[in-house]
Amino acid sequence: AQSVTQLDSQVPVFEEAPVELRCNYSSSVSVYLFWYVQYPNQGLQLLLKYLSGSTLVESINGFEAEFNKSQTSFHLRKPSVHISDTAEYFCAVSIGSTLGRLYFGRGTQLTVWP
Amino acid sequence: ETGVTQSPTHLIKTRGQQVTLRCSSQSGHNTVSWYQQALGQGPQFIFQYYREEENGRGNFPPRFSGLQFPNYSSELNVNALELDDSALYLCATSGVPSSYNEQFFGPGTRLTVL
Repeated sequence: AQSVTQLDSQVPVFEEAPVELRCNYSSSVSVYLFWYVQYPNQGLQLLLKYLSGSTLVESINGFEAEFNKSQTSFHLRKPSVHISDTAEYFCAVSIGSTLGRLYFGRGTQLTVWP
Repeated sequence: ETGVTQSPTHLIKTRGQQVTLRCSSQSGHNTVSWYQQALGQGPQFIFQYYREEENGRGNFPPRFSGLQFPNYSSELNVNALELDDSALYLCATSGVPSSYNEQFFGPGTRLTVL
């Protein structure tokens, strides 16, 4: 069975500080990995994804995540956060046999303070 | 924002009632998945429809049922509502079912069961 663990339910940081949101997964087969962001009263938006190739993937707004197969992790990082990054972040995995079914973690609420 | 819309935005029902939630697909997408997001939890997969046929189901009882129409819009029906059905219900659409295709989420329907 697949499972996703987001180790921190809440991460408060000050503006311009670096942040890391942790995600670990368990799966006996190869996985595809995703980070989604959810702003208040909105649906989920894809932030970035790892399908294959380079283990470091980047988003257009400065986030990056690194796939570490040996540690089964896909941590999300940003070197300098903005107040507008305040949102809930979800890590998700999918596997080839389930054709698009996403398994989500419980989410991490990132709050950026001025 | 995505082209996926959901209606209604909010809904209040009482135990034992039935509810229908609706989702309009983004243009060109023929696959729709439904997720239940309870408060403080990540989304959980309910089922997926592809070309009007159910194409996978999560661990939800049969009182959760769905339909997909020829225009690829979709309905989620829940019978005999229980208090634990209170949640945000999200639909997500994509092209052909695939573990690496991006899914586009709607804003969700907030269901409250009293």
